[in-house]
Amino acid sequence: DSGVTQTPKHLITATGQRVTLRCSPRSGDLSVYWYQQSLDQGLQFLIQYYNGEERAKGNILERFSAQQFPDLHSELNLSSLELGDSALYFCASSVLPGGSNEQFFGPGTRLTVL
Amino acid sequence: AQRVTQPEKLLSVFKGAPVELKCNYSYSGSPELFWYVQYSRQRLQLLLRHISRESIKGFTADLNKGETSFHLKKPFAQEEDSAMYYCVSLFSNDYKLSFGAGTTVTVRA
Repeated sequence: DSGVTQTPKHLITATGQRVTLRCSPRSGDLSVYWYQQSLDQGLQFLIQYYNGEERAKGNILERFSAQQFPDLHSELNLSSLELGDSALYFCASSVLPGGSNEQFFGPGTRLTVL
Repeated sequence: AQRVTQPEKLLSVFKGAPVELKCNYSYSGSPELFWYVQYSRQRLQLLLRHISRESIKGFTADLNKGETSFHLKKPFAQEEDSAMYYCVSLFSNDYKLSFGAGTTVTVRA
């Protein structure tokens, strides 16, 4: 167990809907990363926060947004969902920002858009 | 474009045989390279990083700048090595990790 928690484990919703995925980092970790894993795209970095501030952006769609709260947990909001958004969404955390720091991954949230 | 390539999606070896997972990167600078692993029903976790020059669980990986490769090797595979392995890079002009497509390793008894 890495200490990173993600809720919910599974989410099934319909196209056009909006969902929120939640991540709690390991105790003491200030940086949170979000990744999307799909069959065709593999594991893709979405966005990173460090101590409440957006640090880096990857292949994140405009329909998606995220934030990190003062207690350091993070939420990933996905709106106007499409079938292609069905994927496994991972959160990871590290003590410091920057990819060279070991990232500890959560179990993921599996999103199914019908 | 900067990218990481793992040419093998699946790799099957017998227990006790050597295993090598290939990884190539395309980048003119000096990236940081890692191998992350996901065992069945477990989370993705760091296996090793090139700057540490360490051997973890019998695995080693050497950065070859001339061939732009970072292949992962183990001389004698064990059944518990069965997992999904990702080659990951951090390019010096970027904050984000770039993951390869992953290689699923199956070690047969």
